[in-house]
Amino acid sequence: GDSVTQMEGPVTLSEEAFLTINCTYTATGYPSLFWYVQYPGEGLQLLLKATKADDKGSNKGFEATYRKETTSFHLEKGSVQVSDSAVYFCALSDKRGDKIIFGKGTRLHILP
Amino acid sequence: EPEVTQTPSHQVTQMGQEVILRCVPISNHLYFYWYRQILGQKVEFLVSFYNNEISEKSEIFDDQFSVERPDGSNFTLKIRSTKLEDSAMYFCASSLQGDFRSYTFGSGTRLTVV
Repeated sequence: GDSVTQMEGPVTLSEEAFLTINCTYTATGYPSLFWYVQYPGEGLQLLLKATKADDKGSNKGFEATYRKETTSFHLEKGSVQVSDSAVYFCALSDKRGDKIIFGKGTRLHILP
Repeated sequence: EPEVTQTPSHQVTQMGQEVILRCVPISNHLYFYWYRQILGQKVEFLVSFYNNEISEKSEIFDDQFSVERPDGSNFTLKIRSTKLEDSAMYFCASSLQGDFRSYTFGSGTRLTVV
């Protein structure tokens, strides 16, 4: 079945460092892809999405590009802040579009 | 901004006891979901609910689980006889049209079975 694999955490970076969190997926058809973020004590928030190949999702300085040829959707940010510390989940929606399939999540710590 | 509200945020229960987790979806949403996340593992789909019936459920959602929309605002997940392995974070979600565009998650209920 459909699945998402993302890099293990935790990832610890200094403020202003460049961030990459790798994500690859397995799916039949053409799923939509997402990054969700969970700040401490809060729910899952949609960070960005891409609905077709070569789309780039972006929000709050984060970007990810839907790469069909490599089945990847890596999350990047050029300069991270302490406030970016959270758990990041890569996800896809299945072919029906109502169920979301998540990766395990990557915990990100940003040091001042 | 509209929110999905879950209560309680943390519940501790004894093994074998029944537990009900409560959710208030966004008021005009029509599709409702439960997910769970065992500590350190991925967030997993449990069940989707539309028009007062289950539209899809996962293998995890066995006879010990049930869902209900008892009134116009609440959506509940009941676990009849909790096991240690039911300890997890449970997320409720709702959407307007059953797709990702309006999909909104609650902040979760952490269930600890002792």
